[in-house]
Amino acid sequence: AQSVTQPDIHITVSEGASLELRCNYSYGATPYLFWYVQSPGQGLQLLLKYFSGDTLVQGIKGFEAEFKRSQSSFNLRKPSVHWSDAAEYFCAVDTGRRALTFGSGTRLQVQP
Amino acid sequence: SAVISQKPSRDICQRGTSLTIQCQVDSQVTMMFWYRQQPGQSLTLIATANQGSEATYESGFVIDKFPISRPNLTFSTLTVSNMSPEDSSIYLCSVLLIPDRGYDEAFFGQGTRLTVV
Repeated sequence: AQSVTQPDIHITVSEGASLELRCNYSYGATPYLFWYVQSPGQGLQLLLKYFSGDTLVQGIKGFEAEFKRSQSSFNLRKPSVHWSDAAEYFCAVDTGRRALTFGSGTRLQVQP
Repeated sequence: SAVISQKPSRDICQRGTSLTIQCQVDSQVTMMFWYRQQPGQSLTLIATANQGSEATYESGFVIDKFPISRPNLTFSTLTVSNMSPEDSSIYLCSVLLIPDRGYDEAFFGQGTRLTVV
């Protein structure tokens, strides 16, 4: 069965610093890959997605992610974090069933 | 995009009772799903709501506990039956659109925060 691993449960960065959130997946083929953000009391918002093509994808709010097939990874990055980025981030995969398998999430805290 | 309305947004229920959660979408969608997010946990798929037929449940979830209806392409309900405190979670409806580019994008409702006492 497919699985998604987010090894970092909690990350704290200073405002203005760069950010990288890790995501690894386990699946025989390349799945559809997603990053979602969940702010307190809010629903899930799609940040970006990868289906095929260019392995560096741009998303909303200045986020980007890079798909690396050799590492089965889809890490999320942002060059300069803002205080409003504090939230829970979920990596997810769709292996073709059209339903999503989510990672355990990474909680991002931003220090002033 | 799709606008998804979930009702209720939150509820506190007595153990042994049942709660029905509604999910209304502002456009016809191909697929609808129900997820559960237990406190401090990630999202887990409960089932796929199939229009006009029985839902498809994931391992660990059964129809008697989580009956689902989907009478049309814009509406679905999830019932949490005979509740216990372990059912305290956020329940989220998700829908799949097929945009012009020809691939799917999932949208989520705001969720229903259920507390069982």
